Amino acid sequence: AQSVTQPDIHITVSEGASLELRCNYSYGATPYLFWYVQSPGQGLQLLLKYFSGDTLVQGIKGFEAEFKRSQSSFNLRKPSVHWSDAAEYFCAVGPSRQISNFGNEKLTFGTGTRLTIIP
Amino acid sequence: ETGVTQTPRHLVMGMTNKKSLKCEQHLGHNAMYWYKQSAKKPLELMFVYNFKEQTENNSVPSRFSPECPNSSHLFLHLHTLQPEDSALYLCASSQGPQDTQYFGPGTRLTVL
Repeated sequence: AQSVTQPDIHITVSEGASLELRCNYSYGATPYLFWYVQSPGQGLQLLLKYFSGDTLVQGIKGFEAEFKRSQSSFNLRKPSVHWSDAAEYFCAVGPSRQISNFGNEKLTFGTGTRLTIIP
Repeated sequence: ETGVTQTPRHLVMGMTNKKSLKCEQHLGHNAMYWYKQSAKKPLELMFVYNFKEQTENNSVPSRFSPECPNSSHLFLHLHTLQPEDSALYLCASSQGPQDTQYFGPGTRLTVL
């Protein structure tokens, strides 16, 4: 069964500092990987996704993530955070098209990492 | 107009009430989903519909009853809920079951 681990429940960084949010997954084949962000009282917004190809993926709002198959990781990074980046961040894994069967597709989410920005 | 809308945004109901949550997507997608988000727990997939047909029921209690009259609309009918059902209920849609999911803002449900 697929699973996602986000080991950091809460991270606090200073505005302007760099950020890395960790995500490790367990999956038997090549997965689809996603990062979503959720602001308070809001739904989830897609930041970026990895399906195949270049393992360094660029997303919106200046975020990027790197897929490392050997480490089963898909960490999210941003070189300089802004106060507006304060939110909850979710990593998710889904089955790739090649092996997915109709009706069995599921996104599995991590428990999230809450990001606090201090001035 | 936003891609995926949900109404109401907040709902308070008693354990004997019957209410419905509504989701509408304006993206031309064919698949729609209901998720439950509880504090300190991963998002839980509840139901999946593809071309109006239910393709996944993730062992959800029968007090939750989904309805998908067409590819743009999804309802979640609620009756005799329990306080532990209080959560944020999120709707999502995607072009197909294997494609990127886009989420609505959610309905914050409180069961008294």
